[in-house]
Amino acid sequence: LAKTTQPISMDSYEGQEVNITCSHNNIATNDYITWYQQFPSQGPRFIIQGYKTKVTNEVASLFIPADRKSSTLSLPRVSLSDTAVYYCLVGGSQGNLIFGKGTKLSVKP
Amino acid sequence: DAGVIQSPRHEVTEMGQEVTLRCKPISGHNSLFWYRQTMMRGLELLIYFNNNVPIDDSGMPEDRFSAKMPNASFSTLKIQPSEPRDSAVYFCASTDPGLAGSNEQFFGPGTRLTVL
Repeated sequence: LAKTTQPISMDSYEGQEVNITCSHNNIATNDYITWYQQFPSQGPRFIIQGYKTKVTNEVASLFIPADRKSSTLSLPRVSLSDTAVYYCLVGGSQGNLIFGKGTKLSVKP
Repeated sequence: DAGVIQSPRHEVTEMGQEVTLRCKPISGHNSLFWYRQTMMRGLELLIYFNNNVPIDDSGMPEDRFSAKMPNASFSTLKIQPSEPRDSAVYFCASTDPGLAGSNEQFFGPGTRLTVL
């Protein structure tokens, strides 16, 4: 399973767009890129998944360059409630996922 | 839909005691995962089942840990004997076979275990 590297923490202010980049240099051909969000005292929650180019849903966008060695989670106009830990994972579909330490996002008023 | 159900939500026990954590996956889901989360090690996969069969238990720390899935609606994670270093939040998650190609796992609320 490919290893991922992402910043340990990030700070932002309400209303700003936040971009969290994850590197996964050893991603395999059949690996998907998946992002999860975790609030304190809760289990992780699936945000978005992609294979290449761009994926967008009601919560976030995921940008994946052609070489797929990195990906960027984009959160538009964050609010205080977006303060959480965000995990980037790579792996085959419905297989076991490896969670790293994630990126702790702090949104300030 | 009640989501993934875990019990108990909190467990405090003394070193050497047996601890059993329980999980009820979402109805219709065919894969079940047990994770452990600590500040030091983050979120670690312990074991996962597919159609009630253990597929990968390489994350189980040692022989003190065992997991079973006797049927599609119930799984247990047992620690015997428990040690203070087992203190952590244990999560159970399940996946929907209808979401082919998806890595979406549905997590339960977790069990916070404290071993004194």
